[in-house]
Amino acid sequence: AQSVTQPDIHITVSEGASLELRCNYSYGATPYLFWYVQSPGQGLQLLLKYFSGDTLVQGIKGFEAEFKRSQSSFNLRKPSVHWSDAAEYFCAVDTNSNSGYALNFGKGTSLLVTP
Amino acid sequence: EAQVTQNPRYLITVTGKKLTVTCSQNMNHEYMSWYRQDPGLGLRQIYYSMNVEVTDKGDVPEGYKVSRKEKRNFPLILESPSPNQTSLYFCASSLDRGDGYTFGSGTRLTVV
Repeated sequence: AQSVTQPDIHITVSEGASLELRCNYSYGATPYLFWYVQSPGQGLQLLLKYFSGDTLVQGIKGFEAEFKRSQSSFNLRKPSVHWSDAAEYFCAVDTNSNSGYALNFGKGTSLLVTP
Repeated sequence: EAQVTQNPRYLITVTGKKLTVTCSQNMNHEYMSWYRQDPGLGLRQIYYSMNVEVTDKGDVPEGYKVSRKEKRNFPLILESPSPNQTSLYFCASSLDRGDGYTFGSGTRLTVV
């Protein structure tokens, strides 16, 4: 079955430390890939997206993500985390098929930032 | 300001009483979609629309209806709400499928 997996439900990092959030997908072709962030009580904000080209993409708020076709992964990274980065992060995949438009989300990773 | 506007933000209703959650976007986007968000389940797509009068089911369409009579509006209709439809609902829109969705602020629905 097609799916989007975020293996880590919760992650805790210290402020100033680096961050990597994992995302794996199981689709045949190269899909459209996205990362979203959701702060408490808020809607979702698009951080970055990838479809083709350079496999390292830059996003807003200092985030970047790397697409690795061989591993079917699209991991999100940030070199130095700020306390304001504490939020829920969602990876999303559009299968880019002609059979419909389904943007499928992973279950999310909750990020806690400690002083 | 470019945005997706949902109303109401909060709604408490009783089982069986028909309700509509409105969604409007001012960006002339082709694609619109409704999601529900539940703890432990993430976001699940209810319905989507690729253009006016073109709608299709997502993963969890049972108990919901939508319409797309004009480009900017995409209301979500619950004809006979039940307690298992208590959830946080998001409307979203995008110009093209590779652009990523712009999300509304959400509607928290409680059905008692």
